[in-house]
Amino acid sequence: GENVEQHPSTLSVQEGDSAVIKCTYSDSASNYFPWYKQELGKRPQLIIDIRSNVGEKKDQRIAVTLNKTAKHFSLHITETQPEDSAVYFCAASNQAGTALIFGKGTTLSVSS
Amino acid sequence: DTAVSQTPKYLVTQMGNDKSIKCEQNLGHDTMYWYKQDSKKFLKIMFSYNNKELIINETVPNRFSPKSPDKAHLNLHINSLELGDSAVYFCASSQDRKRSTDTQYFGPGTRLTVL
Repeated sequence: GENVEQHPSTLSVQEGDSAVIKCTYSDSASNYFPWYKQELGKRPQLIIDIRSNVGEKKDQRIAVTLNKTAKHFSLHITETQPEDSAVYFCAASNQAGTALIFGKGTTLSVSS
Repeated sequence: DTAVSQTPKYLVTQMGNDKSIKCEQNLGHDTMYWYKQDSKKFLKIMFSYNNKELIINETVPNRFSPKSPDKAHLNLHINSLELGDSAVYFCASSQDRKRSTDTQYFGPGTRLTVL
């Protein structure tokens, strides 16, 4: 079945710096790759997603890139702010398209 | 106007008890899910239901039994609770499982503590 690896597990940056989180997946049939942000004690919330027919997608300070050949995708956050501090999860759809398989999360800390 | 809601938000109980968690979505979605988030924050799929039909049952002990009375509700019943069941349980929904690129929306979570 699908396996998703996420790195790094923790990331500390200064306000205004960029942050990059990387994920790899194992199932070449996966075709949907969302990123979720989870603040302490809250639900995971979708921040951006990318589908397999697209190589890059951007939404203001957030961008995601996908390399289907290498089976990896990355989240890029520019001009980080303290409110970006949270746990970020990448995910990939399983082969049947019936569930999301999540990475183990990255705890991002942005200090001012 | 809550999209995906769960009750209760917190559940503290003794080992061996039976408990239920309820989930409702008002998005008109066909597919609902249960995820377990352990103490290390790892999110893992437990069950998936599409229009009241069980689609996925990951390697979950049979003490866990999902029940879907209609496509807007997916409840989770847990028998003979064990210490290892302590976790946050999230319900989620998406439009249609056949479209594997549908966004999943999560409920607020239920923090289960087994003493």
